[in-house]
Amino acid sequence: NAGVTQTPKFQVLKTGQSMTLQCAQDMNHNSMYWYRQDPGMGLRLIYYSASEGTTDKGEVPNGYNVSRLNKREFSLRLESAAPSQTSVYFCASSEIFNEKLFFGSGTQLSVL
Amino acid sequence: EDKVVQSPLSLVVHEGDTVTLNCSYEVTNFRSLLWYKQEKKAPTFLFMLTSSGIEKKSGRLSSILDKKELFSILNITATQTGDSAVYLCAVEDGGGADGLTFGKGTHLIIQP
Repeated sequence: NAGVTQTPKFQVLKTGQSMTLQCAQDMNHNSMYWYRQDPGMGLRLIYYSASEGTTDKGEVPNGYNVSRLNKREFSLRLESAAPSQTSVYFCASSEIFNEKLFFGSGTQLSVL
Repeated sequence: EDKVVQSPLSLVVHEGDTVTLNCSYEVTNFRSLLWYKQEKKAPTFLFMLTSSGIEKKSGRLSSILDKKELFSILNITATQTGDSAVYLCAVEDGGGADGLTFGKGTHLIIQP
C-alpha cells in the first residue's frame, strides 16, 4: 500500500505563477485534508473534504482552491502564487473525520 | 492566542533516559486529543485520547489525558536514538473551527 501520495515533492515558483498540488490515497478513506507547515507555526488546515463531494475552508484558505476529484484524489491549487505561500504542504486522509489522519510525505514549495 | 501549547519546545537527553512531553489545550467543546511523531517528513499517528479513553500505551510510549486540568502528557521510557523527532499534539474542538488544531511541537533529540 502506498498510503497517501503527493506530487510534486519540491517546486519553485515565481510570484504570480499558478500550480496544482496533487494528492491521492489508496486506503478508501472518506476524509481528506490539506495542511501547511511553517517554522514556528505548527500545522495549519487550509481546506478539507469531510466526504466525497464536499469541500470546506479551514483556518488559512485565502489564495487556495481545492477539488475533490473522486474518493481517492484531492488537489490543491494556487492560482497566483505569493511569497507568503512558501511552505511545506501536507495532504492527509482519514477513514473517520478528524480521527487518525495519515499524512503524505509533503511538498516543499518556494515562491520567489 | 494559541489553543494548543506544547512544552518544552526542544529537549536533549541521553539514550536510556525517560522523557515527558506536555500538551495543554483550551477549546470550547473538547472531542479528542491526538499525538503524532514527525521525523523527516510525514507525521505518523501515535495515540488518540478521548473522554472514553484517557490512557493509552504502546511499547515504551504512553499517554494520559487530564480533562479536568486540560492537558495531556506523552511519556517515552528507555529512549533510543530512533525516538529523535518532533512530537506534535493536536486537539479537535467541536465548538470551534473544523479540523484539528496542532501545537508547535516538541523537538526531541536523543544523544547516544
